[in-house]
Amino acid sequence: QSVLTQPPSLSGAPGRRVTISCTGSNSNIGANYKVHWYQQLPGTAPRLLIYGNTNRPSGVPDRFSGSKSGTSASLAITGLQAEDEADYYCQSYDSSLSGWVFGGGTKLTVL
Amino acid sequence: EVQLLESGGGLIQPGETLRLSCAGSGFTFADYAMSWVRQAPGKGLEWVAVISGSGAGTYYADSVKGRFTVSRDNSKDTLYLQMNVLSTDDTAVYYCARCPVLEFGAEFDYWGQGTLVTV
Repeated sequence: QSVLTQPPSLSGAPGRRVTISCTGSNSNIGANYKVHWYQQLPGTAPRLLIYGNTNRPSGVPDRFSGSKSGTSASLAITGLQAEDEADYYCQSYDSSLSGWVFGGGTKLTVL
Repeated sequence: EVQLLESGGGLIQPGETLRLSCAGSGFTFADYAMSWVRQAPGKGLEWVAVISGSGAGTYYADSVKGRFTVSRDNSKDTLYLQMNVLSTDDTAVYYCARCPVLEFGAEFDYWGQGTLVTV
């Protein structure tokens, strides 16, 4: 059981907007540790999508955006495309566990 | 181009040991903290260990503390993970990943392709 909670699955039609939530607590996200997001396409290694809550690495389309508020964070994807079908993970740090932590992952299906 | 290439995975019996390697290229290896992250079959990502650029600082997940040791040889641009007393719970794809900054909770900006360890 991860200390960062994500919905196990989400789906959306092409062109629509979806939001993936990442809910933590006062020992991780609420303690002002940064949140990062990764995309993992089937059979491949994870790829950094959002870092430092809201920043996109070069090469990541601006359809992807991140936000953080209180003990939660969110990843929004607009203009959904078939190639966005993947697993998405949030990541932060937990002071109670004294370690890096990942959310359980969200499987996004593009209808 | 930043590249990370893991090796050393395989099939091993419970209680045995294994050492993984990760060769870095395309960047100044010693300037970056490095980490190991694993993924059990059909499961999510789990952070395993991180080591500072100099190798002086190491941190471990509770699930591997006392059994796994992370180290690096900056003269060879290589990261290692020594895994002892392996159990079936350690079966996973092991990824090495680069940390652009060594701060608690830093992101992992580049990942290797992973190496499968089956116990």
